[in-house]
Amino acid sequence: EVQLVESGGGLVQPGRSLRLSCVDSGFNFDDYAMHWVRQAPGKGLEWVSGISWNSGTIGYADSVKGRFTISRDNAKNSLYLQMNSLRAEDTALYYCAKEAYGFDPWGQGTLVTVSS
Amino acid sequence: QSTLTQPASVSGSPGQSITISCTGTSSDVGSYNLVSWYQQHPGKAPKVITYEGNKRPSGVSNRFSGSKSGNSASLTISGLQAEDEADYYCCSYAGSSTWVFGGGTKLTVL
Repeated sequence: EVQLVESGGGLVQPGRSLRLSCVDSGFNFDDYAMHWVRQAPGKGLEWVSGISWNSGTIGYADSVKGRFTISRDNAKNSLYLQMNSLRAEDTALYYCAKEAYGFDPWGQGTLVTVSS
Repeated sequence: QSTLTQPASVSGSPGQSITISCTGTSSDVGSYNLVSWYQQHPGKAPKVITYEGNKRPSGVSNRFSGSKSGNSASLTISGLQAEDEADYYCCSYAGSSTWVFGGGTKLTVL
């Protein structure tokens, strides 16, 4: 069954911004921490950011710190990633994942391409 | 935040067992029992196969087992099957609300 659905990806010029969204159609969204993980074309997985159930604890990878902001709206069962000052190396498929029994489940991802 | 070290590739014949290693540091793998392993088939989202060291989610075959010793973790797949051919990634909590993945290992079933 479909549970996590990402959106908001697309083609964007370097230096511009993009906001990704992830909606959870399952239950108890507000019981779990949530994460963004990305995968550049043909490359491995890279953890990007995570947020606790109540937004009280947030972490970022060094590669995005100061440029990306994670947030959530438990009333809307939604997770967000505001991406500013985008660079070519941010080009990737961005997955959201719930932190339950490891990272599980995952969405199908939304593709972000940073290019002029 | 450094990437955990995994072999780029491993292979085995059907029915055999293989082990994939994942080497971290005392700041990540060595400090927390929060290592998980993921299987990713081409064009698909990753799927968790072990978490918190040696626990398996419901529905995951008992042919998959995880372990940890010191700063390293391992995934063992026994009774290799053709459908096990995929990319495998380890992941560990690294402190300060951050996580780190391994570079990934491509498993080929001969």
